[in-house]
Amino acid sequence: EPEVTQTPSHQVTQMGQEVILRCVPISNHLYFYWYRQILGQKVEFLVSFYNNEISEKSEIFDDQFSVERPDGSNFTLKIRSTKLEDSAMYFCASSPRNDNTFGSGTRLTVV
Amino acid sequence: DAKTTQPNSMESNEEEPVHLPCNHSTISGTDYIHWYRQLPSQGPEYVIHGLTSNVNNRMASLAIAEDRKSSTLILHRATLRDAAVYYCILRTNRDDKIIFGKGTRLHILP
Repeated sequence: EPEVTQTPSHQVTQMGQEVILRCVPISNHLYFYWYRQILGQKVEFLVSFYNNEISEKSEIFDDQFSVERPDGSNFTLKIRSTKLEDSAMYFCASSPRNDNTFGSGTRLTVV
Repeated sequence: DAKTTQPNSMESNEEEPVHLPCNHSTISGTDYIHWYRQLPSQGPEYVIHGLTSNVNNRMASLAIAEDRKSSTLILHRATLRDAAVYYCILRTNRDDKIIFGKGTRLHILP
């Protein structure tokens, strides 16, 4: 069964550093998403991406965040200057239209 | 997204059916009822969705009340691997993102 692949599974970074989280969505999907889940809390929507541009973003997705689909297969989330409160599981998802298939996530720890 | 209400947690015995309830009294005519689950240390996973009629797939069944103000996810024979948080979510056809609530944490007793 096709799956969404995320790398790395765990990333530790120092506060203030830039981090890039990588995702390979399912190949024939058109919609791409990032979500995050702080430990013990709900899964939160960050951003959706369609036709090479952001289609919707949440209040969490501020100027420190950006997304890119650089080469037609990868979908990346960049955090420019990480803060302690960015520590969370980050999930990538893709969809042909309505139903999201999620990756297993990247655990980001900011120290 | 319209609001759903689920119990915080439920318990069930292994190999028995499980009925997970969801109330959505403010559902609109264009809202689909979606269920996702999140296994421990995993990303969310699609389970099933429906509009008005009951739905079955290899994972579960979805029973939708006639007035659509509530629905029930049915796991016909629970296994230990079904222990997860189950989310009931309303989405229209125009929605692509998913807004998660707190869900129901299902514990399976061996």
